Amino acid sequence: NAGVTQTPKFRVLKTGQSMTLLCAQDMNHEYMYWYRQDPGMGLRLIHYSVGEGTTAKGEVPDGYNVSRLKKQNFLLGLESAAPSQTSVYFCASSYTIGALESNQPQHFGDGTRLSIL
Amino acid sequence: KQEVTQIPAALSVPEGENLVLNCSFTDSAIYNLQWFRQDPGKGLTSLLLIQSSQREQTSGRLNASLDKSSGRSTLYIAASQPGDSATYLCAVRITTGNQFYFGTGTSLTVIP
Repeated sequence: NAGVTQTPKFRVLKTGQSMTLLCAQDMNHEYMYWYRQDPGMGLRLIHYSVGEGTTAKGEVPDGYNVSRLKKQNFLLGLESAAPSQTSVYFCASSYTIGALESNQPQHFGDGTRLSIL
Repeated sequence: KQEVTQIPAALSVPEGENLVLNCSFTDSAIYNLQWFRQDPGKGLTSLLLIQSSQREQTSGRLNASLDKSSGRSTLYIAASQPGDSATYLCAVRITTGNQFYFGTGTSLTVIP
């Protein structure tokens, strides 16, 4: 059982370049999340999805776009990378509240370390 | 907006000591609370999850308590070991279910 898998694990970009981070989960979770983690600021929610074909903005959505075309995948895109987007990005997934399994924890991927020069 | 605070930001203890990590949150309308462990350069690993109707959960040397009315949770680690050295984060899931709110973590160092 792979859980939550993020690709790539590391990436260096130049300012203005674009890229897509991929998150895949094999637990049939409805909810998926993208966070960024910066020193001293904890995890901040970028975007999230409550099901296939749906997305919503989190706390820090500017400069990012997301898509959830398949239930198991959640993509995070940077259209024009900026140095301020240098961070560690985490994807997570969880069950829906009210589901029988909703007492199960949120699961995280190992992160993508992104540097923008 | 839910705000989650963890104090202290860093803690250093000798091996074998029992210790308590604190987590406080501003809005008591939570669905559950999770404690995570994060090792350097790694993702988050779930340690314990407490539902809003529960008072505590235990796993091995770890015991987490929840006082929803006062907006507090504690993580108790018994007989600490050097392998417990990591950052510990708490997160609350709000009752609408869509979002989790994280504290900034407590960095724990257990000295052999």
